[in-house]
Amino acid sequence: NAGVTQTPKFQVLKTGQSMTLQCAQDMNHNSMYWYRQDPGMGLRLIYYSASEGTTDKGEVPNGYNVSRLNKREFSLRLESAAPSQTSVYFCASSDLMTSSYNSPLHFGNGTRLTVT
Amino acid sequence: AQKITQTQPGMFVQEKEAVTLDCTYDTSDPSYGLFWYKQPSSGEMIFLIYQGSYDQQNATEGRYSLNFQKARKSANLVISASQLGDSAMYFCAMREGTRYSGSARQLTFGSGTQLTVLP
Repeated sequence: NAGVTQTPKFQVLKTGQSMTLQCAQDMNHNSMYWYRQDPGMGLRLIYYSASEGTTDKGEVPNGYNVSRLNKREFSLRLESAAPSQTSVYFCASSDLMTSSYNSPLHFGNGTRLTVT
Repeated sequence: AQKITQTQPGMFVQEKEAVTLDCTYDTSDPSYGLFWYKQPSSGEMIFLIYQGSYDQQNATEGRYSLNFQKARKSANLVISASQLGDSAMYFCAMREGTRYSGSARQLTFGSGTQLTVLP
């Protein structure tokens, strides 16, 4: 039972480099999310996708782009990485459309990104 | 303004004792849900318990219970009979709005409480 799978687990980038974080879920969930976690700040929402074909900005979208490729996959792209983007990134999914209001988020194991 | 506040950056508890982790929230929406997650040192986020704003009873899941005081806007997590494996970061989170509103897509997290269980 894979749940939410994120790749890669670790990544080191130089300032200005680009990369894409991949996320896939096998739970047939409609909604998917990207969060970043920084010490003392909890998790902050970068972007989310309520359903296939739609994406919306969260609290901290600057410097990121996303693509909801299909129902299963939601990728996060850093076009020109900056040291301020050093963080742990979590992908999550949830079934808000068809299940009850209390549907929790199911998280991947995270990607630890360092930008030097 | 902070929507979720966890005022205890760190907590210590003796093994087998109970511990309460505080969470207060701020919303004007009558419909909302409150969640607690556990993050062990390995890094994954584990869903523990949920409380809805209209729920009449406090939620319980095994050794976890949620002390929901709606008028005070608090949703404290109570862990009974602490175990060494309970040592982790704990996050409180809130979802506002109805199922089909845009805000219902978002879960807002507090800054977390690091719990250490002492043998």
